[in-house]
Amino acid sequence: ETVLTQSPDTLSLSPGERANLSCRASQSVSSSHLTWYQQRPGQAPKLLMYGASSRATGIPERFSGSGSGTDFTLTISRLEPEDFAVYYCQQYGTSPPGYTFGQGTKLEIK
Amino acid sequence: EVHLVQSGAEVKKPGESLRISCKGSGYRFTNYYITWVRQMPGKGLEWMGRIDPSDSYTSYSPSFQGLVTISADKSTSTAFLQWNNLKASDSAMYYCARLLVLGHSYGLDYWGQGTLVTVSS
Repeated sequence: ETVLTQSPDTLSLSPGERANLSCRASQSVSSSHLTWYQQRPGQAPKLLMYGASSRATGIPERFSGSGSGTDFTLTISRLEPEDFAVYYCQQYGTSPPGYTFGQGTKLEIK
Repeated sequence: EVHLVQSGAEVKKPGESLRISCKGSGYRFTNYYITWVRQMPGKGLEWMGRIDPSDSYTSYSPSFQGLVTISADKSTSTAFLQWNNLKASDSAMYYCARLLVLGHSYGLDYWGQGTLVTVSS
């Protein structure tokens, strides 16, 4: 079973700064099967990126995704106040079949 | 507009049974898988399983296999998550979400508002 490890657990930054969130897989993951979500306090998660680097509908251009194999990154180019939230990566695996989540990175205001 | 509306919060005792629901609207319900995701208090997201509403074929995470049952009624565009023997450790927020397939990529593009389940004696 593929395990996703996100780092850091907590990232403290100021509005306007750049954020880089990492998602590392215990074995190679197809880029097509790597997805990112944002969860604000008290809300359901929201789809941000699919296929590692494609923005979901309505997601601002300041969000971008990259990576391949076992290392993936979500980048927020210039943080807005509404971006401070918890971010999860997710992968689809076939052995066993399922959609595993990373443990999450909390992005907090410094 | 697509909506997934979940049933309300539940308070149950250990050993009791429970079924929570997730009703889809604004799209053809049988065209998309529905998944269930658990979030324990203050913790991360855990994928529990999914169902294809067109034929009720299910797939479960090994962590939840045999502990819960996922079902769907396509006549009412509703998916269900069921427990037969609740434990205190089942206390959590449960989300349903629609699985969007884009070529070889996937994403949970619409989510329900969540159902809070509390199991306490």
